[in-house]
Amino acid sequence: DAKTTQPTSMDCAEGRAANLPCNHSTISGNEYVYWYRQIHSQGPQYIIHGLKNNETNEMASLIITEDRKSSTLILPHATLRDTAVYYCIVRSFGNEKLTFGTGTRLTIIP
Amino acid sequence: GAVVSQHPSRVICKSGTSVKIECRSLDFQATTMFWYRQFPKQSLMLMATSNEGSKATYEQGVEKDKFLINHASLTLSTLTVTSAHPEDSSFYICSARDMMSGAGANVLTFGAGSRLTVL
Repeated sequence: DAKTTQPTSMDCAEGRAANLPCNHSTISGNEYVYWYRQIHSQGPQYIIHGLKNNETNEMASLIITEDRKSSTLILPHATLRDTAVYYCIVRSFGNEKLTFGTGTRLTIIP
Repeated sequence: GAVVSQHPSRVICKSGTSVKIECRSLDFQATTMFWYRQFPKQSLMLMATSNEGSKATYEQGVEKDKFLINHASLTLSTLTVTSAHPEDSSFYICSARDMMSGAGANVLTFGAGSRLTVL
C-alpha cells in the first residue's frame, strides 16, 4: 500500500473548519484513501473513505485531488471533542489490513 | 452501527503470568479480526491477523508463542500474552470487519483497547 505523509500536528479554533492534509503521491489506481482518528486512550474510529470522488458524511468531507496524489479531510465545525490524532491511510481494494502511520495530532483550541 | 467490545479494558499482572484479552463483535460476524499494539506516544502496530477456524497470521517480528491468538467463533477472538514481562506493557487494540459489508467499503471497527501493565 502507498505511503502517506501528514503534518505532525495542527491547531484549529473551536467552531472553525479543520482542514487536515495528506500526501499520497505514490497511490495507485485501486487504492482507497481512508481516514481514522484516535481520541486519547481509545481505539481508532472510522471517519470516511474515498477512491477518487469527493465524499461527505455526517462527520466530515474528504476532498481528493484530481491526480489523487493528495487529499484533505475537512471537519466543518470543529469542537473540542474533535481533538485527536488523525490518520490518513491508503489501502488497496481487497486488502483488509490497515497500516497506521504517525498521523496528525489535531488540537482544537477554545 | 458495528460495535467491537474488548475485555478487560485494564489489567495489571505480575511478571511471568499470562493474560487473556477478549475481542467480541457484538452485532455482526467477523471471519477476520486484527490485533494491534500501541506504545505510549507511538502509532498502532499490527501484530497479527486472526482468522476464524484457522491459525493466526503474525506480522514479522511478533512472537507467535508469546502472543497466542484464538478465533474460535465468528464473534470472538482472544489474545493471550504468555509469561508477560514489563516490556509487554502496552495498549492492545483489536478490530474487525463486518463480513456482510461490501468488500469495497472494507471499514474496520475497533475496540476501545485493553491497557496491560506488567509489574
